[in-house]
Amino acid sequence: NAGVTQTPKFQVLKTGQSMTLQCAQDMNHEYMSWYRQDPGMGLRLIHYSVGAGITDQGEVPNGYNVSRSTTEDFPLRLLSAAPSQTSVYFCASRHRTSGGYNEQFFGPGTRLTVL
Amino acid sequence: AQSVTQLDSQVPVFEEAPVELRCNYSSSVSVYLFWYVQYPNQGLQLLLKYLSGSTLVKGINGFEAEFNKSQTSFHLRKPSVHISDTAEYFCAVSRSGTASKLTFGTGTRLQVTL
Repeated sequence: NAGVTQTPKFQVLKTGQSMTLQCAQDMNHEYMSWYRQDPGMGLRLIHYSVGAGITDQGEVPNGYNVSRSTTEDFPLRLLSAAPSQTSVYFCASRHRTSGGYNEQFFGPGTRLTVL
Repeated sequence: AQSVTQLDSQVPVFEEAPVELRCNYSSSVSVYLFWYVQYPNQGLQLLLKYLSGSTLVKGINGFEAEFNKSQTSFHLRKPSVHISDTAEYFCAVSRSGTASKLTFGTGTRLQVTL
């Protein structure tokens, strides 16, 4: 299993440009999520999905769109990049259960710089 | 809602010395608690977790943590650190009994030197 993969690893954008951060998992996990990591702020949840066709907002959703057309993929879209979106982005996935705990697995991250 | 406080942003320590990384949480309901480690330029890896039962939890790489409900703490300890333990450590909390979202602390940078 490749686990959770993210592309690209690094990206530089100009203000106003758009791009899509890719995330894929091969563990048949229902639950996928996107976090951003900023110095001194830990990881903050942007959007999450509990299954194909279902997405919801996290703590900091503004400026980002997501969709979930398949179980495997969960892309994150920046429609008009802003310098405030300079960050490291992590995708994560886990099984979804009605109760109890399932370990969340993280991808290696995408480092995005918006000039 | 849950919240996590990691008071120490950086902890410098000499190799083979003991270390404690502090984590306090706030919640009105029962919680699950986690420690994650992030090595340079890598993603997060689960170090250990408390779900229920014994309050002393052992994890990978010789780390352990103790859940203290009265003090709402979940401090991470290692009796003797190595250079390879240099990394960022994140404490996280989620509501127990459900597969709910993780709330992370701001992280503690452990710097181990000779």
